[in-house]
Amino acid sequence: AQTVTQSQPEMSVQEAETVTLSCTYDTSESNYYLFWYKQPPSRQMILVIRQEAYKQQNATENRFSVNFQKAAKSFSLKISDSQLGDTAMYFCAFRINDYKLSFGAGTTVTVRA
Amino acid sequence: GAVVSQHPSRVICKSGTSVKIECRSLDFQATTMFWYRQFPKQSLMLMATSNEGSKATYEQGVEKDKFLINHASLTLSTLTVTSAHPEDSSFYICSARVNVGRGNTIYFGEGSWLTVV
Repeated sequence: AQTVTQSQPEMSVQEAETVTLSCTYDTSESNYYLFWYKQPPSRQMILVIRQEAYKQQNATENRFSVNFQKAAKSFSLKISDSQLGDTAMYFCAFRINDYKLSFGAGTTVTVRA
Repeated sequence: GAVVSQHPSRVICKSGTSVKIECRSLDFQATTMFWYRQFPKQSLMLMATSNEGSKATYEQGVEKDKFLINHASLTLSTLTVTSAHPEDSSFYICSARVNVGRGNTIYFGEGSWLTVV
């Protein structure tokens, strides 16, 4: 079984600054995928970024980037130049080829004006 | 982009009754859909995998007779909460796996709030 751990229940960041969310996971699989999802107050799940485990290069999507440390089983998300619209709950997620997602407990991010 | 629609977005039902939630892929075919449950301020927990034309696969601890899942077509999966009780009140979210040509991406529906009174 896979587990995903997010140890930061809440994070607060000033607008335009950077915040890093941590995520660790545990698995015995060698081929897997990692994701960060954003869930704003509307509750719609929005994919922020994905990382294939076989890729060494860290994924980047505009202001969002990850630090993927496979040996340490760590997958942190960095939000640069934070915007008010980034306020949401962020979930780290993991899956293998069965497409079932295992989610962490989530981190609530609040961007302050 | 791909759209997954859930209906109803909010529903209130009386204790002991059944309620059906639909998950529909609007512009693609989905042989596999997933149902998740999310309590307030908590994470999403996978309830079951819905496979078109076959029985759903339930996660450990999920009562299959209480949460009936039907995936009768390539674009529609339904979740029926039978004999609902107040503890079944929750946010239910479906997701659908895009099969071909879109990199096996997963798309989420907007979710459905169920309140049992």
